[in-house]
Amino acid sequence: DTGVSQNPRHKITKRGQNVTFRCDPISEHNRLYWYRQTLGQGPEFLTYFQNEAQLEKSRLLSDRFSAERPKGSFSTLEIQRTEQGDSAMYLCASSLLGLREKLFFGSGTQLSVL
Amino acid sequence: TQLLEQSPQFLSIQEGENLTVYCNSSSVFSSLQWYRQEPGEGPVLLVTVVTGGEVKKLKRLTFQFGDARKDSSLHITAAQPGDTGLYLCAGPNTGTASKLTFGTGTRLQVTL
Repeated sequence: DTGVSQNPRHKITKRGQNVTFRCDPISEHNRLYWYRQTLGQGPEFLTYFQNEAQLEKSRLLSDRFSAERPKGSFSTLEIQRTEQGDSAMYLCASSLLGLREKLFFGSGTQLSVL
Repeated sequence: TQLLEQSPQFLSIQEGENLTVYCNSSSVFSSLQWYRQEPGEGPVLLVTVVTGGEVKKLKRLTFQFGDARKDSSLHITAAQPGDTGLYLCAGPNTGTASKLTFGTGTRLQVTL
């Protein structure tokens, strides 16, 4: 068990470009979450999957954002036409559905939009 | 919308001192979790408190859940430089219990 893995760790892009992040959850975990964290704030929920089904999306997630988990394993988060306001740490977490669900977070992808 | 307010926002203390961090809400939470986050890393779960009035200890850290389940506190005894980090409380959203609402965080720095 190597924990939740996120790639890349850092991404610098120009405004208007598209970016894609990848998250590999802990192998037996059936739930996967995406959060966004800006400097000095706590993480904010973006979306989550149970297996391959995307069950909820936050209103923070504009139509420029799309997330997938095609086979119920790894997930990707794509941001199209990036804006400077998208600069943040994007965190992925996974868990095993249960009474006392525990989230295990990855190290995040730090996005800087210039 | 359930909000979690943490205080203080920043805390700088010397090694050996005690401190308490607070997490408050006007909403009732079925449980609250505490995380510690180091720079450039994701949050790591420290503890989950479930029952009103519950007290949990993790070495030098003592966590308490308020009787009304609207607030929680984290007390650190004899702080060490390794305790430095961002402390976050989080609770499940009543609308969707699977997602967490995080507090604003308390940034702790412990110096020698």
